[in-house]
This record gives sequence, structure tokens and C-alpha cells, in this order.
Amino acid sequence: EAGVTQSPTHLIKTRGQQATLRCSPISGHTSVYWYQQALGLGLQFLLWYDEGEERNRGNFPPRFSGRQFPNYSSELNVNALELEDSALYLCASSLVGGPGFGSGTRLTVV
Amino acid sequence: GQQVMQIPQYQHVQEGEDFTTYCNSSTTLSNIQWYKQRPGGHPVFLIQLVKSGEVKKQKRLTFQFGEAKKNSSLHITATQTTDVGTYFCAGPPNFGNEKLTFGTGTRLTIIP
Repeated sequence: EAGVTQSPTHLIKTRGQQATLRCSPISGHTSVYWYQQALGLGLQFLLWYDEGEERNRGNFPPRFSGRQFPNYSSELNVNALELEDSALYLCASSLVGGPGFGSGTRLTVV
Repeated sequence: GQQVMQIPQYQHVQEGEDFTTYCNSSTTLSNIQWYKQRPGGHPVFLIQLVKSGEVKKQKRLTFQFGEAKKNSSLHITATQTTDVGTYFCAGPPNFGNEKLTFGTGTRLTIIP
């Protein structure tokens, strides 16, 4: 069974630009969770999508948004990028029992 | 909102010594999960504890969930170089919210 997949692996953007990150959950999982891991910090919850709807979001500004598609894959969009948005963005699907994360997208804002 | 703190933030131990990280939540947790993140890698699920006072063991690792379901600990006996990484606890609040809040993590370094 394929695990959670994320793309791209690395992304370099200029301040003010927009970034789009993608995630495909484990087959059969309907929930997708997004986390931000800034350098030296713990994992911060960003967004939770389930059955195509946003179920919950963490304490992040509105320029962090996303969506979930009918096939349960998901996009995370970050608008008006700021330098402090540089981080590893992790996606996970179905956290009951802790099935694991994707390998992440390393976003660097210059 | 819910906060999950871990101590210590960093721990350096000689290979063969024991290691313990403690996790404390500001709210009662319905369950506690532990993850290990190797340097440069992504978090990997280790275990989930659900019952008050539950203790589970995985080889040299011992996990404990507090009686009040607000704290937990991970103890590693006789550390090895393969234990290097950051250990995170995580848990959802007790009222059915699926939002998993992660602890701040404890970074373990092994001195050979």
C-alpha cells in the first residue's frame, strides 16, 4: 500500500509569491492534515480536510489556505509568502492510530 | 487553546545511558501518540496509548500515559546511536476534536 505522498520535495519562492503544495493520502483515507515544521520548532497544526471540507484550522493567517479534491488529494496554498514561511510542510492522512506522514515539502522563501 | 509541552528540549547522553522525555498537556487527552523524527526525515509513528495509567513497551522503549490523561513519558533504556532524533508526543483533546496537537519535541543526541 502506498503511503502518503507529497510534491514537490523542495520549493524555492520569492517573498510575495504564492506557493502550492500537494498531498495524496493513503488509499482509502478521506482525511488529510497539514502541518508546518519551522526550523527548530515542533510541528504546528495548519489545516484538516475531510470529505472535501475544511474541518479545522490552526492559528495561521488566512493567506494559508487549501482544498481537498474528490479523490481526497489535497493542496495547500500559501499566498503573499513571507520569509518566516520557510519550513517543512508535512501532510498526514487519518491520524487515528497514527498512520504516518508524507516526506514533506521543504519550502524556502528568499 | 490546547498546549502540549515537552521536557527537556534537548538531551545529550552517552551511548548506553538511559533517556526520558516528558510530555504535559494543558487539557485532558483522549489518547497520546508518540512519534520519532530522524534528522532530515519526517515523523514516524511509534505508539498510541489510550487508557489512563497505561504502560506499553517496545523493546528498549517504555511509554506511559498518566492517570489524569494529561501527561505521558517515553523512557529509552541503554540508548544506542540509532535512537538519535527528535521525539514528539501528540494528542487530541478529550472532546472529540481530531486536531492533533504536537508537543514541542525533545531532541536526543547520543555521544558514542
